[in-house]
Amino acid sequence: EVQVVESGGGLVQPGGSLRLSCTSSEFTFSSYNMNWVRQAPGKGLEWISYVSGSGSSMSYADSVKGRFTIFRDNAKNSLYLQMNSLRDDDTAVYYCARRSATGRAMDVWGQGTTVTVSS
Amino acid sequence: QSALTQPPSASGSPGRSVTISCTGTSSDIGGYDYVSWYQQHPGKAPKLIIYEVSNWPSGVPDRFSGSKSGNTASLTVSGLQTEDEADYYCSSYAGSNSWVFGGGTKLTVL
Repeated sequence: EVQVVESGGGLVQPGGSLRLSCTSSEFTFSSYNMNWVRQAPGKGLEWISYVSGSGSSMSYADSVKGRFTIFRDNAKNSLYLQMNSLRDDDTAVYYCARRSATGRAMDVWGQGTTVTVSS
Repeated sequence: QSALTQPPSASGSPGRSVTISCTGTSSDIGGYDYVSWYQQHPGKAPKLIIYEVSNWPSGVPDRFSGSKSGNTASLTVSGLQTEDEADYYCSSYAGSNSWVFGGGTKLTVL
């Protein structure tokens, strides 16, 4: 089973920054568009960001636009999410999800990394 | 980027069928045939079970089926099994490389 692995979560104060990482060596990383999806405690899934396989195209949900930056390093088979100006409501499990080759679905998900924003 | 609307809960007896609805707008579900469904067991990552409205990824049983009419998509689980008890989320492509999810439906197998 193809896997991706997230890391970088932790406890951060409001207004602080954190960088999440996602990596996989089980598929041709650069051939796939990637997403970040988050899930606040007891809540549903929320798509927050997308990056194309080459890294040249990005998009963001309104809730994180201007604060979060998605980027990738295909030489390292890695995806990143730079999170700045963190707020309490950014507290969530953050999932890295591969966009499927067809169908614009998310076919491979990591186990998630937990971000807690609290003073 | 408003969330799609799902019922918070659904239930059914083993062996029976249950259908979960997912309502969006012409900007998401109604505008694209890119509806997907995800199953999530407690403490686990979501798992793709339906893509492009009604297609199954490899390994997903055909007891799960999807459909769409206008701005509403539906997931039907037939022959309910105890392991089907989980949260189910719909999602739709919403254009410009953005996606929207539903609020989730907790399926209970009675």
